[in-house]
Amino acid sequence: AQSVSQHNHHVILSEAASLELGCNYSYGGTVNLFWYVQYPGQHLQLLLKYFSGDPLVKGIKGFEAEFIKSKFSFNLRKPSVQWSDTAEYFCAVIPTMTTDSWGKLQFGAGTQVVVTP
Amino acid sequence: KAGVTQTPRYLIKTRGQQVTLSCSPISGHRSVSWYQQTPGQGLQFLFEYFSETQRNKGNFPGRFSGRQFSNSRSEMNVSTLELGDSALYLCASRAGTGMGETQYFGPGTRLLVL
Repeated sequence: AQSVSQHNHHVILSEAASLELGCNYSYGGTVNLFWYVQYPGQHLQLLLKYFSGDPLVKGIKGFEAEFIKSKFSFNLRKPSVQWSDTAEYFCAVIPTMTTDSWGKLQFGAGTQVVVTP
Repeated sequence: KAGVTQTPRYLIKTRGQQVTLSCSPISGHRSVSWYQQTPGQGLQFLFEYFSETQRNKGNFPGRFSGRQFSNSRSEMNVSTLELGDSALYLCASRAGTGMGETQYFGPGTRLLVL
């Protein structure tokens, strides 16, 4: 069965520290990849996405992610976090070549990130 | 453009009752997907609708159903509610022309079953 794994469930770090969140998926075909963020009390928002092309993609608020096809990974990074980055982060994958994928994002379990002042 | 809207935002029901949740997609979007979010199971796909047709369905019992109207608005219904149905129900919309398009999420409906 297809799955999406996020390596850490909870991350606590100080402001200005660097952040890297791991995401691996198990699917051998072509996929589209996403990172969503859920700030406290807010709805899921798109941080960035990868469909094709340059495997290093930049998103909003200084986030970037690197797609490594050989490792089935799509890790999220931010060089210097702020207190306002406290949120839950979700990696999501959708295969693009199978009919049973219509509208079906597969999410990782999420990583709760707490940034302390 | 206005984002995805969901009503109601909060609901309290008792076991055995049924509930209907509503979702209005972004203007021009023709596809709506529904998800259930719980602390234990995370985000799980319920079903997807496009042009009033269900194109995909997740692994949920038949008590969970949905429909889509000609204006792309969608509703989901849960009958014979169980305690385990307490969750945040999220609706996401996209244009609908491609399988892997970006989905834009609404604020969700938080359902509490007592």
